[in-house]
Amino acid sequence: DGGITQSPKYLFRKEGQNVTLSCEQNLNHDAMYWYRQDPGQGLRLIYYSQIVNDFQKGDIAEGYSVSREKKESFPLTVTSAQKNPTAFYLCASSFGGRSTDTQYFGPGTRLTVL
Amino acid sequence: GENVEQHPSTLSVQEGDSAVIKCTYSDSASNYFPWYKQELGKRPQLIIDIRSNVGEKKDQRIAVTLNKTAKHFSLHITETQPEDSAVYFCAASPYSGGGADGLTFGKGTHLIIQP
Repeated sequence: DGGITQSPKYLFRKEGQNVTLSCEQNLNHDAMYWYRQDPGQGLRLIYYSQIVNDFQKGDIAEGYSVSREKKESFPLTVTSAQKNPTAFYLCASSFGGRSTDTQYFGPGTRLTVL
Repeated sequence: GENVEQHPSTLSVQEGDSAVIKCTYSDSASNYFPWYKQELGKRPQLIIDIRSNVGEKKDQRIAVTLNKTAKHFSLHITETQPEDSAVYFCAASPYSGGGADGLTFGKGTHLIIQP
């Protein structure tokens, strides 16, 4: 877990602004994921990437974008098209891109739209 | 896609008693089932997981059982302690030809240990 970092811990955004959340890992993991957590709803998958320069949409990708230019980095941009962006955002990584590989989570970024 | 149902949403037990949390999943192709513990404001921490080729796994006071036929898996915590109080999430990972498509989570169970 300590090998996955997210920044910032807290982020405030005005309506209409795009913001980018950082996720870095030094575990040499191939796969990385972004989840959103709302109260009482568990975690929902936004985007995932099994390998550098490739990524796929998850269940709630609308209003979000990602890039995977480096193995250790998977930033998430929350665009103004996301209608309800206030949430706790969690990044995760796994050693390989297999469905049975354990996912480890970063400490999260709490985004609030003012 | 996969759908995971988790029950109960809140569970209150006396310290020292056992706690059981149950999950069902819909996609028979799912082959990996982790359980995470999350304390308030913190990241989810993996506590135990099970793969579809086994029916039960134990780690000290924690055990997980899997019934593939019924598409049902459960978390069992024995001799509960105050530090077990947290929100617990079950999840399922669908198999789609080898790649990891991310986890589908249940909505969580708030476990409260009464002294």
